[in-house]
Amino acid sequence: DVKVTQSSRYLVKRTGEKVFLECVQDMDHENMFWYRQDPGLGLRLIYFSYDVKMKEKGDIPEGYSVSREKKERFSLILESASTNQTSMYLCASSRRQMNTEAFFGQGTRLTVV
Amino acid sequence: QKEVEQNSGPLSVPEGAIASLNCTYSDRVSQSFFWYRQYSGKSPELIMSIYSNGDKEDGRFTAQLNKASQYVSLLIRDSQPSDSATYLCAVKTPGGGYQKVTFGTGTKLQVIP
Repeated sequence: DVKVTQSSRYLVKRTGEKVFLECVQDMDHENMFWYRQDPGLGLRLIYFSYDVKMKEKGDIPEGYSVSREKKERFSLILESASTNQTSMYLCASSRRQMNTEAFFGQGTRLTVV
Repeated sequence: QKEVEQNSGPLSVPEGAIASLNCTYSDRVSQSFFWYRQYSGKSPELIMSIYSNGDKEDGRFTAQLNKASQYVSLLIRDSQPSDSATYLCAVKTPGGGYQKVTFGTGTKLQVIP
């Protein structure tokens, strides 16, 4: 059974803190993605990675960075958390082939106070 | 113009009716198309994928793709209250040796008993 696991289901952090969101997949997928989901705005792509140490900016990368040191793990970093980064964060992974779907983790609800 | 557009709804249909969900995309090189269902507070889960023009049927679900019109749709026959959810259209687009997966904002479907 395919599995994408995010390190936390709920997280509360203070403004200015450095925040790490971790995602691990056990399907040997080449591609991994970080999205945030907000009411009325849908799923917005923050960053994605198509190989170890490779990353590409998505649509809203400002205020975020990512790290992919191992194929199975993709980390999202909020360098200095702000209240406007309060959101649901979803990690996904997929195979490199075009005709393959993305699988999602359970999501992390981050609240920045 | 958004890369993937959906009507946000809510789309209300009576139980047993056909629900029709629509999606348009802007990038002509997009090759793979997916429909995800997302219940409130949960992660998206794949229900249909389609890669070539025409119809694809799976149980009560039919996906339709028209690449010339850059249009993809999902039909749900014999709608059930358990189908009430947000339906996300996703598009996979190649570029520079990687694939980007972009989502629409989703259509909220309400099936009225």
